Amino acid sequence: TQLLEQSPQFLSIQEGENLTVYCNSSSVFSSLQWYRQEPGEGPVLLVTVVTGGEVKKLKRLTFQFGDARKDSSLHITAAQPGDTGLYLCAGARGGSNYKLTFGKGTLLTVNP
Amino acid sequence: GAGVSQSPSNKVTEKGKDVELRCDPISGHTALYWYRQSLGQGLEFLIYFQGNSAPDKSGLPSDRFSAERTGGSVSTLTIQRTQQEDSAVYLCASSRGHSNQPQHFGDGTRLSIL
Repeated sequence: TQLLEQSPQFLSIQEGENLTVYCNSSSVFSSLQWYRQEPGEGPVLLVTVVTGGEVKKLKRLTFQFGDARKDSSLHITAAQPGDTGLYLCAGARGGSNYKLTFGKGTLLTVNP
Repeated sequence: GAGVSQSPSNKVTEKGKDVELRCDPISGHTALYWYRQSLGQGLEFLIYFQGNSAPDKSGLPSDRFSAERTGGSVSTLTIQRTQQEDSAVYLCASSRGHSNQPQHFGDGTRLSIL
């Protein structure tokens, strides 16, 4: 059973479109992180959210942590080809909050 | 460089052989993590080192897997008697060691077992 479910698994859109990817769980997380990974490279941290209901913005990216701290979303406005990559969410729980549980990721392709 | 360095970047070996994967963390980072990323799967936690504390080995999939960290810096992940299901990208990350500190990842070692 996957602890963190990401959807959609694949997303192909045209430059300029908006999109939202989701990260859902039945478990509560003390914090949740979003990473982007490009082929042949390691994941790069985009943001960490720790408070239920928290919203963080990073340029055209908006991250939200659910009120119950069980889910999160990433919204990209006016997507660009440079946004192409694998987006991973990862949650930390309780006393072992160094041990991240990752979702399988959303593979985003933005076509010019 | 200033990032996490992993070697080799690619490794192809025959089933049954032992392999060693190396990770050089960012200088000053006391925490080091190993993950495995298989095709179509998320990153799977393997092991965590923090300073001189006993490592958290709870993610190691079998006793064929082991890891050590010498001098609080470089780490090696060893897989004995490799099996085809061990084929994956093995990623190392380091952090300053406090809870919720961001983990910085290396580019991984792509391991292929023939």
